[in-house]
Amino acid sequence: GAVVSQHPSRVICKSGTSVKIECRSLDFQATTMFWYRQFPKKSLMLMATSNEGSKATYEQGVEKDKFLINHASLTLSTLTVTSAHPEDSSFYICSARDLGTGDGYTFGSGTRLTVV
Amino acid sequence: QKEVEQDPGPLSVPEGAIVSLNCTYSNSAFQYFMWYRQYSRKGPELLMYTYSSGNKEDGRFTAQVDKSSKYISLFIRDSQPSDSATYLCALGKGGGADGLTFGKGTHLIIQP
Repeated sequence: GAVVSQHPSRVICKSGTSVKIECRSLDFQATTMFWYRQFPKKSLMLMATSNEGSKATYEQGVEKDKFLINHASLTLSTLTVTSAHPEDSSFYICSARDLGTGDGYTFGSGTRLTVV
Repeated sequence: QKEVEQDPGPLSVPEGAIVSLNCTYSNSAFQYFMWYRQYSRKGPELLMYTYSSGNKEDGRFTAQVDKSSKYISLFIRDSQPSDSATYLCALGKGGGADGLTFGKGTHLIIQP
């Protein structure tokens, strides 16, 4: 089945610094990828839709200048958390769908971000 | 009213029991229905995917969709301790260009 790789799995950074998270579709091309955020014991909330070759679409309430998304190729999307603060600490997960198979959406293993 | 409602549990059952997990939704625009299993600090794993009313079976798992009632279910037969996890229903509106709307997730515990 479709495989989505996400890196890093865990990162600790200092307040004010920026962190980049990578999401790759390993065995299929993804013109669209999705970024979610999950707080402890809470469900996944869609943050933004990443579109290859064009601007990302952000959900209401998500700061696009804080969470920069780049979808430079059909297999790679990156999320950069800029000027991170402790309240940005969360579990970030990316997702993509292999439209060729018609299967459901595949998720990466997630990135746990801790801002200290 | 939230778009997707799911009882967070926890739901505790003995090993071998049949487990029933449910979600209700309010927006008839949802056309795709998925169930994911998530272990602690891991990404969700797709269990079942369906887009029509009725039943879909895969091994010990059966997904049931009733679009008229806006109600979806996941049944797990012969439950095992390894099935202990959080189960999330996820609903989609588009054909791959839209993100998913998730339920809160139900924390399931299978007692040995």
